[in-house]
Amino acid sequence: QKEVEQDPGPLSVPEGAIVSLNCTYSNSAFQYFMWYRQYSRKGPELLMYTYSSGNKEDGRFTAQVDKSSKYISLFIRDSQPSDSATYLCAMSRGSNYQLIWGAGTKLIIKP
Amino acid sequence: DVKVTQSSRYLVKRTGEKVFLECVQDMDHENMFWYRQDPGLGLRLIYFSYDVKMKEKGDIPEGYSVSREKKERFSLILESASTNQTSMYLCASRPSGIGGEQYFGPGTRLTVT
Repeated sequence: QKEVEQDPGPLSVPEGAIVSLNCTYSNSAFQYFMWYRQYSRKGPELLMYTYSSGNKEDGRFTAQVDKSSKYISLFIRDSQPSDSATYLCAMSRGSNYQLIWGAGTKLIIKP
Repeated sequence: DVKVTQSSRYLVKRTGEKVFLECVQDMDHENMFWYRQDPGLGLRLIYFSYDVKMKEKGDIPEGYSVSREKKERFSLILESASTNQTSMYLCASRPSGIGGEQYFGPGTRLTVT
């Protein structure tokens, strides 16, 4: 079983919909949780970064961490075609530990 | 802004060739990483370096080596390329300190025929 599980999709939704992307993990020691966005033929770029539990909001994006359930989510409000990309979750135990990556979910926003 | 550049976007090599992939970062980051990305498998760590001339194996180091002679440059070497090394190769850098965010280059799509 992988340490981090992420549904690869693709997830296809109409423009304007609320999108929910999720990862589950097995290692309770993870403390740092990240979401990266990767456009086609580009490298991943950091989208959201959360330490420990709770919510973090940045514009149309909200990241949630539920450590009791070992579950993290990324919500995208008012989704746009430009949000079409692969979204990767990543997490680590601390700054001296390596990131553990999900497989990535391909998201398609239809105009 | 952090900039991580990779020497080639696309590369085609023959089986058995020695292949060099170069990565340069301009933000004085201590840590640098090489990943490969394959569909359904996500990012897998090949090697990383936390200082000049230092290197550590990642999850899949077999068939690869690395070199870090200068802080800003981290090279990945395929000693004898094989078809199963056809993949997207991503370089990343990260500063020391709290957190774990990494900054990525655009990737090199390597095809070994």
